Amino acid sequence: EPEVTQTPSHQVTQMGQEVILRCVPISNHLYFYWYRQILGQKVEFLVSFYNNEISEKSEIFDDQFSVERPDGSNFTLKIRSTKLEDSAMYFCASSEVLAVADTQYFGPGTRLTVL
Amino acid sequence: AQSVAQPEDQVNVAEGNPLTVKCTYSVSGNPYLFWYVQYPNRGLQFLLKYITGDNLVKGSYGFEAEFNKSQTSFHLKKPSALVSDSALYFCAVRPYRGSTLGRLYFGRGTQLTVWP
Repeated sequence: EPEVTQTPSHQVTQMGQEVILRCVPISNHLYFYWYRQILGQKVEFLVSFYNNEISEKSEIFDDQFSVERPDGSNFTLKIRSTKLEDSAMYFCASSEVLAVADTQYFGPGTRLTVL
Repeated sequence: AQSVAQPEDQVNVAEGNPLTVKCTYSVSGNPYLFWYVQYPNRGLQFLLKYITGDNLVKGSYGFEAEFNKSQTSFHLKKPSALVSDSALYFCAVRPYRGSTLGRLYFGRGTQLTVWP
């Protein structure tokens, strides 16, 4: 069964450093998402992406964040200058179409620790 | 504003007993509701969804959920729990209208523990 994969599983970085989190969505999916979960809190939407453009972003997704699909398979989330409060589990998801009835399939997550 | 509440952080049940994991929601317009499960070191796995039609939705691994519009609830159920069902369960809602077409709004999750 096709799966969304994410690398690395755990990333430790110093405050102020740039990090890139990588995701490989399911191959025939066209819509891609990033969510995050700060420890003990809800899973929160960050951004959705389609046709090489951001479709929607939340208030969390400020200028420190960017997304890119650098090739036909990868989808990345970059945080330019990490803050302590960026420490969280980051989930990538993909869906085949953009419809309220469509299912988003999630990867295993990358745990980001900012020291 | 859209929101999901999972009132129980933890649910404990004996193997073989029925289980219920509760979820209530607040959304403008018709709700589209989802349940996901997370096993340790795994991603969020889709279990089932309610879009329209029959209020009782059946999903993976013998789980089902009942949509109750008057109570704005979407409780997850299973008639007979297994130890292997022990995991973290997330309820999510997607609004039907508005600019936030793609995003899911999640609850905080409920840790289900099934003991032998």
